[in-house]
Amino acid sequence: QKEVEQDPGPLSVPEGAIVSLNCTYSNSAFQYFMWYRQYSRKGPELLMYTYSSGNKEDGRFTAQVDKSSKYISLFIRDSQPSDSATYLCAMRDPDGANSKLTFGKGITLSVRP
Amino acid sequence: DAGVTQSPTHLIKTRGQQVTLRCSPKSGHDTVSWYQQALGQGPQFIFQYYEEEERQRGNFPDRFSGHQFPNYSSELNVNALLLGDSALYLCASRPRAIETQYFGPGTRLLVL
Repeated sequence: QKEVEQDPGPLSVPEGAIVSLNCTYSNSAFQYFMWYRQYSRKGPELLMYTYSSGNKEDGRFTAQVDKSSKYISLFIRDSQPSDSATYLCAMRDPDGANSKLTFGKGITLSVRP
Repeated sequence: DAGVTQSPTHLIKTRGQQVTLRCSPKSGHDTVSWYQQALGQGPQFIFQYYEEEERQRGNFPDRFSGHQFPNYSSELNVNALLLGDSALYLCASRPRAIETQYFGPGTRLLVL
């Protein structure tokens, strides 16, 4: 079993839809949770960052962490064609000296105009 | 303020050759990590450099080595290239005391 599993894609939605992207993980040591967006042939761009359990909102994006279920989600409201990209979940343990991010496989989202 | 920069952007090598990739971290960032991203996969952690030393390593063979310079820039070296080394190589940087990492655009390596 992989440490981080991400819902397989690709995902295609109409403009304005609410999108839900999900990851599960097995390592209970993970405390920091991130979502990165990666456009084709570019590096990942940090979208959301959450520590431990709870919700965090930033504009049209909401990140949710449920540590008891080892489950994280990213919600995108009023999706736009510019949101079309690959979304990667990433996580790490709380050791401050530790830089290792463990990523999911990524899901490719396409928002149709 | 420039973000993380990497060079070259693309590279083609043949099996058995050696390659060096370069990374300049974001201003104020002293910790650099390298990741390998195969097509259709998430990035895989290779190693981390801080204070010019390798501090943490992922599950990669010794053919992968690195270096960090006093100005915090870094190099990734891969010896005896294999076809399976073809991937996007990403550099990420952060200040030591901050959790979030910022990625560069990557170097796309093709091994023939």
